[in-house]
Amino acid sequence: AQSVAQPEDQVNVAEGNPLTVKCTYSVSGNPYLFWYVQYPNRGLQFLLKYITGDNLVKGSYGFEAEFNKSQTSFHLKKPSALVSDSALYFCAVRDTGGFKTIFGAGTRLFVKA
Amino acid sequence: GAGVSQSPRYKVAKRGQDVALRCDPISGHVSLFWYQQALGQGPEFLTYFQNEAQLDKSGLPSDRFFAERPEGSVSTLKIQRTQQEDSAVYLCASSLGTSAYEQYFGPGTRLTVT
Repeated sequence: AQSVAQPEDQVNVAEGNPLTVKCTYSVSGNPYLFWYVQYPNRGLQFLLKYITGDNLVKGSYGFEAEFNKSQTSFHLKKPSALVSDSALYFCAVRDTGGFKTIFGAGTRLFVKA
Repeated sequence: GAGVSQSPRYKVAKRGQDVALRCDPISGHVSLFWYQQALGQGPEFLTYFQNEAQLDKSGLPSDRFFAERPEGSVSTLKIQRTQQEDSAVYLCASSLGTSAYEQYFGPGTRLTVT
């Protein structure tokens, strides 16, 4: 069965510092991996995806994520956090054999000025 | 351009009533997903359509839940005999192609069953 774990309910960083939001996953086959962001009073927005190829993928707003097959992780990173990055972040996984997409419970990111 | 729209945005139903939730995907998007999001949780997959074909309905929690997309565009999620545990935000997402990698989400319908 597919599953996603986001071990941190909340991450606090100072503006200008690097940020990491953690995600680990479990699928029976090869994974497709995604990050979505939800700003207050707005719908979920796609940030980036890993389908195949380079383990480091770049997405919107300066975010990137690294796929690590041996550790079954797909952590979201940004070199320099902005206050405007404060939002709720969801990691999601899909088995390459289907369309059922499993989301984590979300991690709330607070960036302090 | 226009994004995914959902209606109604809020719905209050008495326990036992039937409800119908509508999703208008982005024009031309082949793939359509429905999710249920409980408070403080991530979206939980309900069902997936490719055009009018419902290819995966494994996430529908009971036979009270039914979804359709008869002409491959607008979709309706119907819940019969609503129960309090059905209270949640119901999200619709569409994606351009059959690979459905990048999903565009609507604002959701908040269902409250009293």
